[in-house]
Order: sequence, then C-alpha cells, then structure tokens
Amino acid sequence: DGGITQSPKYLFRKEGQNVTLSCEQNLNHDAMYWYRQDPGQGLRLIYYSQIVNDFQKGDIAEGYSVSREKKESFPLTVTSAQKNPTAFYLCASSTGGRAYEQYFGPGTRLTVT
Amino acid sequence: AQSVTQLDSHVSVSEGTPVLLRCNYSSSYSPSLFWYVQHPNKGLQLLLKYTSAATLVKGINGFEAEFKKSETSFHLTKPSAHMSDAAEYFCVVSDFNNNDMRFGAGTRLTVKP
Repeated sequence: DGGITQSPKYLFRKEGQNVTLSCEQNLNHDAMYWYRQDPGQGLRLIYYSQIVNDFQKGDIAEGYSVSREKKESFPLTVTSAQKNPTAFYLCASSTGGRAYEQYFGPGTRLTVT
Repeated sequence: AQSVTQLDSHVSVSEGTPVLLRCNYSSSYSPSLFWYVQHPNKGLQLLLKYTSAATLVKGINGFEAEFKKSETSFHLTKPSAHMSDAAEYFCVVSDFNNNDMRFGAGTRLTVKP
C-alpha cells in the first residue's frame, strides 16, 4: 500500500525539550510538506521541500527545523524556541510543487507541558 | 496572492437532508480548487478537485462541487447527508504560476439523526 506514515500518533514532551516528528512516504513523490493545525485556524505551512537536500520556510517556520536527506523522509524537529508547540502536525507530499494535489499522513498530536 | 474563504465555520444538517458548504476564492490566475475532508484526529482526504476541465466536479461519497468563475465560488454539495459525513471540510485554492496553495479555515459539518 502506498502512502504516508507519521509516527508516533501521540507525543508528549516537557517544555524546553526538542522533539522530532517522523514522516515517511513510499509514493515516490518529489515534494513534501509539514503543516501545523490548530482549532479554527485551518492548516499553516511550516516547511516544504521540493527535492532532496533542499527545503524552504513556510509561513510559520520559527522554532522548527527540517532535513531532507532522502526522498522518502522529511523529519520535523520542534525546538525549545517554539513558543507554543502543542498542536496537531500533518505531513503531506505531492508529485510536483506546492500547487499540486497533496496527499496527507494521519498526523501526530504533540502535547508539551 | 490567492486566498480562500469558507463562509461558515459550522454547518448542522439532519440525516437525509442536503448539504451545502460554501467556499469563495480569490486568485489572480486560473486556479485549481480542491475540497478535502478530515475526520477527528485523522489526516486530510481528497474529496474532489477542479483543474480547468468540467466546471461541475464529482467526487467521492456522493459529493460534488461547481466552479463558478463569475461568482468566484466553489461550493460543496451532497443531496442527502449521512451520519458518516460528519467531519471537518477544507476548501483549498492553488496557483501554478505562484507555486502556492492556500487552505480555508475549515467548516465543521454536524449530522443529526
């Protein structure tokens, strides 16, 4: 089955700790994305990557970092600099650039206390 | 830059009655438009998409949407709601010229028995 996997589904961390969210796809898509979802605010783009070893900041990149060393993988690190990290995080991928249909993973709910 | 406005944050219907979720968009170029559905704590699933072919687009689970350029609208409809339709729905506009995609804030659909 082709698709996007995100792990873990639920993640709990103490304030001040960095945490890395996993995203893997076997769709052979070039582009991958990270979104943050908060109640009533829709999806906001954190980072995206259109090819391996290259990525760009989205609308709310502060306090986050990413890497794209393999086509299949696009991990997101939520750093201690992110002031309000508790949210639902969604990973997505597409065949081309940002305007193309995006396929989403099941999400990771991060709670920081 | 393009944008999308979902006119209702919450819509409530009775099972078996029609569903109408409203979406207006703004785009400098000919846009592509999408509707996605999200069930609680899940990722987003594509319902349907418009990419400058037929203006009436049929999607999964009996949903359809009509692209109306003169009204800059892309409303989502379904003739008869089912309990399983209860979810959050997102209207999305993309622009290949700007390589950009924007999500609406979402409409939560409640279906009453």
